[in-house]
Amino acid sequence: DAGITQSPRHKVTETGTPVTLRCHQTENHRYMYWYRQDPGHGLRLIHYSYGVKDTDKGEVSDGYSVSRSKTEDFLLTLESATSSQTSVYFCAISGDSGRSDTQYFGPGTRLTVL
Amino acid sequence: GQNIDQPTEMTATEGAIVQINCTYQTSGFNGLFWYQQHAGEAPTFLSYNVLDGLEEKGRFSSFLSRSKGYSYLLLKELQMKDSASYLCGTVNAGNNRKLIWGLGTSLAVNP
Repeated sequence: DAGITQSPRHKVTETGTPVTLRCHQTENHRYMYWYRQDPGHGLRLIHYSYGVKDTDKGEVSDGYSVSRSKTEDFLLTLESATSSQTSVYFCAISGDSGRSDTQYFGPGTRLTVL
Repeated sequence: GQNIDQPTEMTATEGAIVQINCTYQTSGFNGLFWYQQHAGEAPTFLSYNVLDGLEEKGRFSSFLSRSKGYSYLLLKELQMKDSASYLCGTVNAGNNRKLIWGLGTSLAVNP
Protein backbone atom coordinates (compact mmCIF):
# COMPACT_ATOMS: atom_id res chain seq x y z
CA ASP A 1 0.00 0.00 0.00
CA ALA A 2 1.08 3.56 -0.70
CA GLY A 3 2.43 5.41 2.30
CA ILE A 4 -0.29 7.89 3.09
CA THR A 5 -1.38 9.06 6.50
CA GLN A 6 -4.03 11.51 7.56
CA SER A 7 -4.32 13.40 10.81
CA PRO A 8 -6.36 13.63 12.84
CA ARG A 9 -8.40 10.49 12.16
CA HIS A 10 -11.37 11.80 14.08
CA LYS A 11 -12.33 15.30 15.10
CA VAL A 12 -15.32 16.95 16.68
CA THR A 13 -15.47 20.70 16.52
CA GLU A 14 -17.94 23.54 16.86
CA THR A 15 -19.48 25.71 14.20
CA GLY A 16 -17.35 28.73 13.38
CA THR A 17 -14.00 27.29 14.42
CA PRO A 18 -11.13 26.81 11.96
CA VAL A 19 -10.01 23.25 11.28
CA THR A 20 -6.93 21.94 9.49
CA LEU A 21 -6.57 18.40 8.23
CA ARG A 22 -3.20 17.04 7.22
CA CYS A 23 -2.26 14.53 4.55
CA HIS A 24 1.26 13.16 4.54
CA GLN A 25 2.80 10.89 1.92
CA THR A 26 6.12 9.07 1.71
CA GLU A 27 5.81 8.12 -1.99
CA ASN A 28 7.12 11.35 -3.50
CA HIS A 29 4.04 11.46 -5.74
CA ARG A 30 3.34 14.64 -7.63
CA TYR A 31 -0.47 14.73 -7.43
CA MET A 32 -2.50 15.01 -4.24
CA TYR A 33 -6.25 15.31 -3.79
CA TRP A 34 -8.75 16.09 -1.07
CA TYR A 35 -12.20 14.49 -1.28
CA ARG A 36 -15.23 14.44 0.91
CA GLN A 37 -17.59 11.49 0.94
CA ASP A 38 -21.21 11.75 1.98
CA PRO A 39 -24.12 9.32 1.64
CA GLY A 40 -25.87 9.82 -1.67
CA HIS A 41 -23.09 11.98 -3.09
CA GLY A 42 -20.16 9.66 -3.48
CA LEU A 43 -16.64 11.02 -3.62
CA ARG A 44 -16.48 14.72 -4.39
CA LEU A 45 -13.24 16.54 -5.14
CA ILE A 46 -12.57 19.57 -2.95
CA HIS A 47 -9.11 20.68 -4.08
CA TYR A 48 -6.13 19.08 -5.69
CA SER A 49 -2.44 19.77 -6.16
CA TYR A 50 -0.25 19.04 -9.16
CA GLY A 51 3.00 20.10 -7.52
CA VAL A 52 4.48 22.11 -4.68
CA LYS A 53 2.54 25.37 -4.38
CA ASP A 54 0.42 24.36 -7.39
CA THR A 55 -3.20 23.82 -6.42
CA ASP A 56 -6.60 24.16 -8.00
CA LYS A 57 -10.25 23.94 -7.06
CA GLY A 58 -12.44 20.90 -7.38
CA GLU A 59 -16.22 20.71 -7.59
CA VAL A 60 -16.99 21.56 -3.94
CA SER A 61 -14.27 24.02 -2.93
CA ASP A 62 -16.38 26.72 -1.26
CA GLY A 63 -15.43 27.08 2.42
CA TYR A 64 -12.16 25.19 1.99
CA SER A 65 -8.58 26.21 1.28
CA VAL A 66 -5.44 24.17 0.78
CA SER A 67 -1.70 24.55 0.91
CA ARG A 68 1.20 22.47 -0.29
CA SER A 69 4.55 23.86 0.77
CA LYS A 70 6.42 20.58 0.27
CA THR A 71 5.88 17.44 -1.76
CA GLU A 72 4.89 15.22 1.13
CA ASP A 73 2.27 17.38 2.84
CA PHE A 74 -1.12 18.65 1.64
CA LEU A 75 -3.19 20.60 4.14
CA LEU A 76 -6.94 21.19 3.97
CA THR A 77 -8.33 24.07 6.01
CA LEU A 78 -11.93 24.80 6.84
CA GLU A 79 -11.79 28.52 7.53
CA SER A 80 -14.96 28.57 9.63
CA ALA A 81 -16.50 25.15 10.02
CA THR A 82 -20.21 24.65 9.38
CA SER A 83 -22.47 21.68 10.07
CA SER A 84 -22.69 21.01 6.32
CA GLN A 85 -18.98 20.20 6.40
CA THR A 86 -19.58 17.22 8.64
CA SER A 87 -18.22 14.42 6.48
CA VAL A 88 -15.52 11.87 5.93
CA TYR A 89 -12.48 13.42 4.26
CA PHE A 90 -10.10 11.37 2.17
CA CYS A 91 -6.74 12.35 0.82
CA ALA A 92 -5.42 10.60 -2.28
CA ILE A 93 -2.17 10.61 -4.22
CA SER A 94 -1.12 9.63 -7.72
CA GLY A 95 2.15 9.64 -9.58
CA ASP A 96 3.56 10.23 -13.01
CA SER A 97 4.01 6.59 -14.06
CA GLY A 98 3.01 6.29 -17.70
CA ARG A 99 -0.72 6.39 -18.44
CA SER A 100 -1.70 4.93 -15.10
CA ASP A 101 -3.49 7.51 -13.02
CA THR A 102 -4.20 5.21 -10.12
CA GLN A 103 -5.11 7.10 -7.00
CA TYR A 104 -4.19 5.70 -3.60
CA PHE A 105 -6.22 6.80 -0.64
CA GLY A 106 -5.36 7.65 2.91
CA PRO A 107 -7.38 6.13 5.78
CA GLY A 108 -9.73 9.11 6.05
CA THR A 109 -10.67 11.69 8.66
CA ARG A 110 -14.12 11.68 10.17
CA LEU A 111 -15.08 15.27 10.98
CA THR A 112 -18.13 16.24 12.98
CA VAL A 113 -19.14 19.91 13.21
CA LEU A 114 -21.63 20.60 15.99
CA GLY B 1 -20.83 16.86 -19.89
CA GLN B 2 -19.49 14.04 -17.76
CA ASN B 3 -21.67 11.46 -16.11
CA ILE B 4 -21.22 8.00 -14.64
CA ASP B 5 -24.06 5.63 -13.81
CA GLN B 6 -23.97 2.45 -11.78
CA PRO B 7 -26.65 0.58 -9.83
CA THR B 8 -27.11 1.72 -6.26
CA GLU B 9 -27.45 -1.68 -4.65
CA MET B 10 -27.04 -5.35 -5.54
CA THR B 11 -27.35 -8.58 -3.63
CA ALA B 12 -25.83 -11.96 -4.40
CA THR B 13 -25.22 -15.32 -2.79
CA GLU B 14 -21.95 -16.65 -1.49
CA GLY B 15 -20.19 -18.72 -4.15
CA ALA B 16 -22.09 -17.11 -7.03
CA ILE B 17 -20.99 -14.69 -9.77
CA VAL B 18 -22.08 -11.06 -9.89
CA GLN B 19 -21.62 -8.41 -12.57
CA ILE B 20 -21.61 -4.72 -11.63
CA ASN B 21 -22.17 -2.41 -14.57
CA CYS B 22 -20.94 1.12 -15.14
CA THR B 23 -21.86 3.41 -18.01
CA TYR B 24 -20.18 6.70 -18.67
CA GLN B 25 -20.41 9.74 -20.88
CA THR B 26 -17.23 11.73 -20.85
CA SER B 27 -15.03 13.65 -23.23
CA GLY B 28 -11.36 12.86 -23.65
CA PHE B 29 -11.70 9.44 -22.04
CA ASN B 30 -8.36 8.09 -20.86
CA GLY B 31 -9.18 5.09 -18.70
CA LEU B 32 -11.64 3.60 -16.24
CA PHE B 33 -10.99 2.50 -12.67
CA TRP B 34 -12.75 0.19 -10.27
CA TYR B 35 -12.26 0.56 -6.54
CA GLN B 36 -13.57 -1.44 -3.59
CA GLN B 37 -14.61 0.27 -0.38
CA HIS B 38 -15.56 -1.60 2.77
CA ALA B 39 -17.75 0.22 5.26
CA GLY B 40 -15.76 2.69 7.32
CA GLU B 41 -12.62 2.24 5.24
CA ALA B 42 -10.85 3.97 2.37
CA PRO B 43 -11.35 2.98 -1.28
CA THR B 44 -8.75 0.51 -2.55
CA PHE B 45 -7.71 0.04 -6.16
CA LEU B 46 -9.04 -3.02 -8.01
CA SER B 47 -8.51 -2.49 -11.72
CA TYR B 48 -7.72 -0.09 -14.53
CA ASN B 49 -8.89 -0.45 -18.15
CA VAL B 50 -7.85 1.84 -20.95
CA LEU B 51 -8.21 -0.54 -23.91
CA ASP B 52 -11.27 -2.54 -24.94
CA GLY B 53 -11.53 -6.02 -23.57
CA LEU B 54 -11.40 -8.07 -20.44
CA GLU B 55 -8.72 -7.80 -17.76
CA GLU B 56 -8.64 -10.73 -15.36
CA LYS B 57 -7.12 -10.60 -11.91
CA GLY B 58 -7.90 -13.60 -9.77
CA ARG B 59 -11.57 -13.74 -8.85
CA PHE B 60 -12.13 -10.23 -10.22
CA SER B 61 -12.31 -9.24 -13.88
CA SER B 62 -13.04 -5.90 -15.48
CA PHE B 63 -14.32 -5.26 -18.98
CA LEU B 64 -14.33 -2.11 -21.07
CA SER B 65 -16.06 -1.10 -24.30
CA ARG B 66 -15.04 2.44 -25.23
CA SER B 67 -17.42 2.63 -28.18
CA LYS B 68 -20.37 1.87 -25.90
CA GLY B 69 -19.14 3.87 -22.89
CA TYR B 70 -19.59 0.74 -20.81
CA SER B 71 -17.66 -1.26 -18.27
CA TYR B 72 -18.40 -4.04 -15.86
CA LEU B 73 -16.74 -5.61 -12.88
CA LEU B 74 -17.19 -9.36 -12.59
CA LEU B 75 -16.75 -11.02 -9.24
CA LYS B 76 -16.56 -14.81 -9.19
CA GLU B 77 -16.82 -17.30 -6.33
CA LEU B 78 -18.28 -14.63 -4.11
CA GLN B 79 -17.19 -14.53 -0.50
CA MET B 80 -18.77 -12.77 2.44
CA LYS B 81 -15.80 -10.40 2.55
CA ASP B 82 -16.76 -9.12 -0.92
CA SER B 83 -19.65 -7.26 0.68
CA ALA B 84 -18.60 -3.68 0.01
CA SER B 85 -19.21 -0.68 -2.21
CA TYR B 86 -17.70 -0.76 -5.67
CA LEU B 87 -16.79 2.58 -7.21
CA CYS B 88 -16.39 3.25 -10.91
CA GLY B 89 -14.30 6.25 -11.99
CA THR B 90 -13.04 7.66 -15.27
CA VAL B 91 -10.01 9.78 -16.00
CA ASN B 92 -9.76 12.24 -18.84
CA ALA B 93 -6.69 13.26 -20.77
CA GLY B 94 -5.16 16.53 -19.73
CA ASN B 95 -7.30 16.82 -16.63
CA ASN B 96 -4.49 16.81 -14.07
CA ARG B 97 -5.35 13.17 -13.43
CA LYS B 98 -8.65 14.03 -11.80
CA LEU B 99 -11.12 11.17 -11.62
CA ILE B 100 -14.83 11.48 -12.20
CA TRP B 101 -16.60 9.13 -9.83
CA GLY B 102 -19.87 7.26 -9.90
CA LEU B 103 -21.89 7.06 -6.69
CA GLY B 104 -20.89 3.47 -6.09
CA THR B 105 -22.71 0.14 -5.98
CA SER B 106 -23.31 -1.40 -2.58
CA LEU B 107 -23.00 -5.18 -2.86
CA ALA B 108 -24.37 -7.44 -0.16
CA VAL B 109 -23.24 -11.06 -0.24
CA ASN B 110 -25.60 -13.38 1.61
CA PRO B 111 -24.80 -16.87 2.89
